[in-house]
Amino acid sequence: SSGLTQDPAVSVALGQTVRITCQGDSLRRYSASWYQQKPGQAPVLVIFGLNNRPSGIPDRFSGSRSGNTVSLTITGAQAEDEADYYCDSRDSSGRHWEFGGGTKLTVL
Amino acid sequence: QFQLVQSGAEVKKPGASVKVSCKVSGYTLSELSIHWMRQAPGQGLEWMGTLDSEDGETVSPQKIQDRVTVTEDTSTNTAYLELRGLRSDDTAVYFCAAKQWERHSPAEEDTWFDPWGQGTLVTVSS
Repeated sequence: SSGLTQDPAVSVALGQTVRITCQGDSLRRYSASWYQQKPGQAPVLVIFGLNNRPSGIPDRFSGSRSGNTVSLTITGAQAEDEADYYCDSRDSSGRHWEFGGGTKLTVL
Repeated sequence: QFQLVQSGAEVKKPGASVKVSCKVSGYTLSELSIHWMRQAPGQGLEWMGTLDSEDGETVSPQKIQDRVTVTEDTSTNTAYLELRGLRSDDTAVYFCAAKQWERHSPAEEDTWFDPWGQGTLVTVSS
């Protein structure tokens, strides 16, 4: 099983702010990235290197880290943000990578 | 932005092997680090492995390392994932993705996967 732990499901009211977390010992040493995945599609990078957004990703997406936990925050969630979100990082060995179990975000 | 285009869906019998391809367009494969992931139906993402840039050997999780081989053909700009001894629980969508990185210091490096291929469904069924 993965060394990265995510809450299985989170919900947010339209326009409100939601935080999705990812916890693991390897995160004290290695940075994490975040991916959005909609049904039937490949994952899409939304945050990398703690708090960097690829071009085309809205600025309502942001990242942060505290200790062994990284967070993805969506400020002013939109209906199109409803998706599964995955964190990823190197594992404790540094030679392998691992993903969190994923968080299903529902926008109410 | 360069693209990764994967081969089509496969149906295999238990015990068989499958080889999934990932063609890079708009960039040179030898300058990239291609990683492979899979996603079983209704499940999360699982990292499958990559090619070690120093010795050219496959690096993969211990639980599958004896069944998986990653190779590259730089003449066709194509990466491959081969999985042997297929079982029903290998049924999944397999993705390739390019690892990107930014080094801040000798001991500090950010890595991320972008872009991803479109995915290849591998079904293992008797």
